[in-house]
Amino acid sequence: DTEVTQTPKHLVMGMTNKKSLKCEQHMGHRAMYWYKQKAKKPPELMFVYSYEKLSINESVPSRFSPECPNSSLLNLHLHALQPEDSALYLCASSQGTGWEQYFGPGTRLTVT
Amino acid sequence: EDQVTQSPEALRLQEGESSSLNCSYTVSGLRGLFWYRQDPGKGPEFLFTLYSAGEEKEKERLKATLTKKESFLHITAPKPEDSATYLCAVQTSNTGFQKLVFGTGTRLLVSP
Repeated sequence: DTEVTQTPKHLVMGMTNKKSLKCEQHMGHRAMYWYKQKAKKPPELMFVYSYEKLSINESVPSRFSPECPNSSLLNLHLHALQPEDSALYLCASSQGTGWEQYFGPGTRLTVT
Repeated sequence: EDQVTQSPEALRLQEGESSSLNCSYTVSGLRGLFWYRQDPGKGPEFLFTLYSAGEEKEKERLKATLTKKESFLHITAPKPEDSATYLCAVQTSNTGFQKLVFGTGTRLLVSP
């Protein structure tokens, strides 16, 4: 089973709202990732967790806050977003860093 | 700086018309090259990993090959359900084992 699940599938939020995106995997993977993807562009890495510790933060604005409660779960907390943050947010996991990454279906985020 | 370039940007084929997609890379030390398929509005689906020049991988109508400067994704007798965007990505010694550098993708449309 190579499934990564993400909730919600769609999210519309105002610029003053606080919301969270959730990601879960049950493959025993020890690395988890958040990506942002704009239309007709490739995914861009935001954060990497390895063994539940944040190991890469690609200079993402502080209005995005990641959290890894345990080895199976990954959250992305959103606060005071801008319309340009509207995108497809993808979660991925891998056996370890350096291995192929398996992506979830994504959360389509619209900021109004 | 590591670079990944995919060509063509878009490709239209008739059902059964075989072709190849190209991924050329300029990196300081290739650790792995990955091929993904992405349907509109969905997360990328892992296809292949290639690690060294001369390596080949096959799956149904797809075959991926790797040289020292590029990778090809050969599609034999494609069907309409093969229509998708195909992404390649590299992990290099510059980025460490944690970061994938994606190309911009090839949008494939297979007509019946």
